[in-house]
Amino acid sequence: DAGVIQSPRHEVTEMGQEVTLRCKPISGHDYLFWYRQTMMRGLELLIYFNNNVPIDDSGMPEDRFSAKMPNASFSTLKIQPSEPRDSAVYFCASSSDRGWGKLFFGSGTQLSVL
Amino acid sequence: AQKVTQAQTEISVVEKEDVTLDCVYETRDTTYYLFWYKQPPSGELVFLIRRNSFDEQNEISGRYSWNFQKSTSSFNFTITASQVVDSAVYFCALSEAGDDKIIFGKGTRLHILP
Repeated sequence: DAGVIQSPRHEVTEMGQEVTLRCKPISGHDYLFWYRQTMMRGLELLIYFNNNVPIDDSGMPEDRFSAKMPNASFSTLKIQPSEPRDSAVYFCASSSDRGWGKLFFGSGTQLSVL
Repeated sequence: AQKVTQAQTEISVVEKEDVTLDCVYETRDTTYYLFWYKQPPSGELVFLIRRNSFDEQNEISGRYSWNFQKSTSSFNFTITASQVVDSAVYFCALSEAGDDKIIFGKGTRLHILP
């Protein structure tokens, strides 16, 4: 299997622009998690899905953030409008074994909002 | 609420020294899972180990060992005879059995000096 695939690897945008991050989980995994990593806050869970349904989005920082999972093989995290404080590395991870399972992480998207 | 504390932000040791990374957790559940992940300079997080709350046996895998003590709510990680390739950020994480979320500590950045 190719593992969790995230795109793009790097994104540089200007404040106010819309940003869309993409994730393809490992086939057969029914859990998908979006995390954000910053120096100050470490790894924060933003939202997770089970069988394409959002289960907990309490970590989403504000209404500018939204996430979707239209099918089992694709998820997006959108920021609109983007702000400089959104600059971070965004990771997608998938799992086949609920919250106590092993997470498989993608390579992350390094987002810089100027 | 669940919480993971990694008090050591950054550690530097000389190659071949032993090093222990501390992890203290908080949970109200009696059933939970603890994890360690490694994030090498390439950025992708890699699963190292998972323990459940009912198994307090220490575990050894090569140069890596883990000490789980419920009495002190700690799950420490020791690297014996450290090598430069062990340089990475190490994350401790916790998941409660009634929840699907995995919550991470802020990580410990480990530098192994040649």
